[in-house]
Amino acid sequence: GQNIDQPTEMTATEGAIVQINCTYQTSGFNGLFWYQQHAGEAPTFLSYNVLDGLEEKGRFSSFLSRSKGYSYLLLKELQMKDSASYLCAVMDSNYQLIWGAGTKLIIKP
Amino acid sequence: GAVVSQHPSRVICKSGTSVKIECRSLDFQATTMFWYRQFPKQSLMLMATSNEGSKATYEQGVEKDKFLINHASLTLSTLTVTSAHPEDSSFYICSARDGRRDTGELFFGEGSRLTVL
Repeated sequence: GQNIDQPTEMTATEGAIVQINCTYQTSGFNGLFWYQQHAGEAPTFLSYNVLDGLEEKGRFSSFLSRSKGYSYLLLKELQMKDSASYLCAVMDSNYQLIWGAGTKLIIKP
Repeated sequence: GAVVSQHPSRVICKSGTSVKIECRSLDFQATTMFWYRQFPKQSLMLMATSNEGSKATYEQGVEKDKFLINHASLTLSTLTVTSAHPEDSSFYICSARDGRRDTGELFFGEGSRLTVL
């Protein structure tokens, strides 16, 4: 079966760095996405990785290792507004998105 | 970036009535649109894949006669929840892929929160 695993909840301090991990097992691979979702809102796109390595976008970076079926989202200089759920999703060989359950990130002052 | 507009953002209806939700790609042609449903504290669940000019492909367990999807043009897909019941109350989200760019990136609508009384 297809499976995406990520921690249910994480807590971090404002100004600090946090890494959210995601492991996956899917039928084929056409890229891995990270989305941010605030409560009651639609997800917003953060990053897309299809090749191994690190992609940096401002305070957010995403890493992918296809051989290990592993990705992480790195958030630096945390702000209170970063409190949200972070969803890892993998596009399989049929171009369907397989979603993780999301990691709820709580930022404390 | 590409914009997807979804309407209405919130709708309340009586049990037994039908509700239509629209999903529009504003500045690109969306050959493929996806419809998702999200129940509280759960992940997004794909309901169906909609391709312009053809019948939608429904995921297992999703009733195609209850959730009617029409993708009549390259910029518009609609989801109609027929004979809605309280258990259909959920957050419905559409997304679209830009057929010209095909980076794999999906662009999401704002979501529609349906409450069935």
